[in-house]
Amino acid sequence: KAGVTQTPRYLIKTRGQQVTLSCSPISGHRSVSWYQQTPGQGLQFLFEYFSETQRNKGNFPGRFSGRQFSNSRSEMNVSTLELGDSALYLCASSSGVVGGTEAFFGQGTRLTVV
Amino acid sequence: GDSVTQMEGPVTLSEEAFLTINCTYTATGYPSLFWYVQYPGEGLQLLLKATKADDKGSNKGFEATYRKETTSFHLEKGSVQVSDSAVYFCALNAPLSGGSNYKLTFGKGTLLTVNP
Repeated sequence: KAGVTQTPRYLIKTRGQQVTLSCSPISGHRSVSWYQQTPGQGLQFLFEYFSETQRNKGNFPGRFSGRQFSNSRSEMNVSTLELGDSALYLCASSSGVVGGTEAFFGQGTRLTVV
Repeated sequence: GDSVTQMEGPVTLSEEAFLTINCTYTATGYPSLFWYVQYPGEGLQLLLKATKADDKGSNKGFEATYRKETTSFHLEKGSVQVSDSAVYFCALNAPLSGGSNYKLTFGKGTLLTVNP
């Protein structure tokens, strides 16, 4: 069974540009969550999608957005990039059932904003 | 809101030493608790989990017991190896009001280095 796949693995963008990251969840999983990991703030929740609907959202500005397609693949978009957006972006998939269902993470996309 | 507090480290041990990484949480309702591990350059891997009070999660020699009375989920291993060097994250998933939403709340992570 294939794991969670995130593309690309590495990105370098210039301040002010926009970027789109992609995540393919484990087959059969309908929930995709996104997290930002930085040395200073640790792991912070961005948002979660389930069956193409955003179910939950963290405390990030509107420049951060996402969507989910009918095949459960998800994309995350960051517009008007700032230097502080440099981070490892992690995607996690799960079945989406409430409670103890664990999340499986991809290897992440390392975004560097220069 | 929900929160997880874990010892920040770094923790440096010699091979075969005993490991404890403390984790306490604050949550409404009845959360599930997890330990994740992150090796350099990788994403997070689930190490173990517990879904209700007094449950013990275990995997690869690591153990943690869900203690509701002390709101804790401390990670332990009797004899660490060099290959255990990684960052360890404690996390909880507490169902949100209004539906079956899924959101993990993480501690800040503990860097473990095991020397031969």
